[in-house]
Amino acid sequence: KQEVTQIPAALSVPEGENLVLNCSFTDSAIYNLQWFRQDPGKGLTSLLLIQSSQREQTSGRLNASLDKSSGRSTLYIAASQPGDSATYLCAVKGNTPLVFGKGTRLSVIA
Amino acid sequence: NAGVTQTPKFQVLKTGQSMTLQCAQDMNHEYMSWYRQDPGMGLRLIHYSVGAGITDQGEVPNGYNVSRSTTEDFPLRLLSAAPSQTSVYFCASSSGQSSYNEQFFGPGTRLTVL
Repeated sequence: KQEVTQIPAALSVPEGENLVLNCSFTDSAIYNLQWFRQDPGKGLTSLLLIQSSQREQTSGRLNASLDKSSGRSTLYIAASQPGDSATYLCAVKGNTPLVFGKGTRLSVIA
Repeated sequence: NAGVTQTPKFQVLKTGQSMTLQCAQDMNHEYMSWYRQDPGMGLRLIHYSVGAGITDQGEVPNGYNVSRSTTEDFPLRLLSAAPSQTSVYFCASSSGQSSYNEQFFGPGTRLTVL
């Protein structure tokens, strides 16, 4: 059974800092990995999708990497801003629908 | 495109009542699924469908029914609501199961069972 773990559970950083969020999964037989953002009381917004054959994807200040063989992904956020404050969720897609981690709650302090 | 829509946004039920959470998508996606989100538990899969007429159970299916009579709609039915079903429910869709298929989520339904 696929299990997804996100560390840390919560993170607080000053504005402008670069930061890394971590995601690990137990079964490397995945089709893709998605990173989502969730604001309090809101739905999920897709940030990046990395296919199993890819090593990384970039969108603006966000860069996600995937090391399928070791079961790890990282989300790198450059020059963090208070508007980046949210919960970030990692999810992997295998033969079944997405399996989610419990998320990292990020606070960027102005 | 409206994307994935869910109704209602909020609902309060009494124990034992039944209701249907609606989910619709206008992207002609074959793949649809229902998740619930609870504090400390993350998102867990309830039921999913790979096309009209085909449904399957996820991780936490007990107490919920689904059907998929059209590509667009995937309603979730609570037959006899219990306080343990208090949660936020999200519907999602994607165009397939390939590695490039992104999942899109609805805004959620916040359900309270008293």
